[in-house]
Amino acid sequence: GQNIDQPTEMTATEGAIVQINCTYQTSGFNGLFWYQQHAGEAPTFLSYNVLDGLEEKGRFSSFLSRSKGYSYLLLKELQMKDSASYLCAVRGNDYKLSFGAGTTVTVRA
Amino acid sequence: GAVVSQHPSRVICKSGTSVKIECRSLDFQATTMFWYRQFPKQSLMLMATSNEGSKATYEQGVEKDKFLINHASLTLSTLTVTSAHPEDSSFYICSARDRGQRGQPQHFGDGTRLSIL
Repeated sequence: GQNIDQPTEMTATEGAIVQINCTYQTSGFNGLFWYQQHAGEAPTFLSYNVLDGLEEKGRFSSFLSRSKGYSYLLLKELQMKDSASYLCAVRGNDYKLSFGAGTTVTVRA
Repeated sequence: GAVVSQHPSRVICKSGTSVKIECRSLDFQATTMFWYRQFPKQSLMLMATSNEGSKATYEQGVEKDKFLINHASLTLSTLTVTSAHPEDSSFYICSARDRGQRGQPQHFGDGTRLSIL
């Protein structure tokens, strides 16, 4: 199975940068995903890493180190609309996604 | 981009009712669809994997007779919560994987909020 850990909550100021860490222990690895989920809504896809390194997509970047079982999601130039839960998910060789508990990010003015 | 449609978005019904939720992939073929449940302030928990043309595989602790899954075509999977009780109230979300895109993420439906009175 998969064991996925990420912080429960983070707070940051509008315009700032926040880094959400995710560590995982896995019996099979076929990619790591980050999703954003606003309250009451379904998750929306943010980023995908399967090889080591940094993937950049606008204000969001994600990093992966497979040897360390570690990833982070970097949110730059924070906006109020970025207040949401961010889910780290690991895909196994069976294509099943295992989700972390999510990190609630609160952006303050 | 790929879209997954889930219907209905919200259901409120009496205890003992059976509720059917549909999940459709609109512009791609999905040999595999996944059903998740999410309780308030918790993460998504995989309930079962729906395979087109074969039986669904259920995660440990999920009652297959309680949560009936049918995946009759490459674009449609249904989840039926049979004889629902208040403890079944939750947010149910489906996702689908485009069989032609091995490296791509799962696409999620908008979810169904089920409230059993």
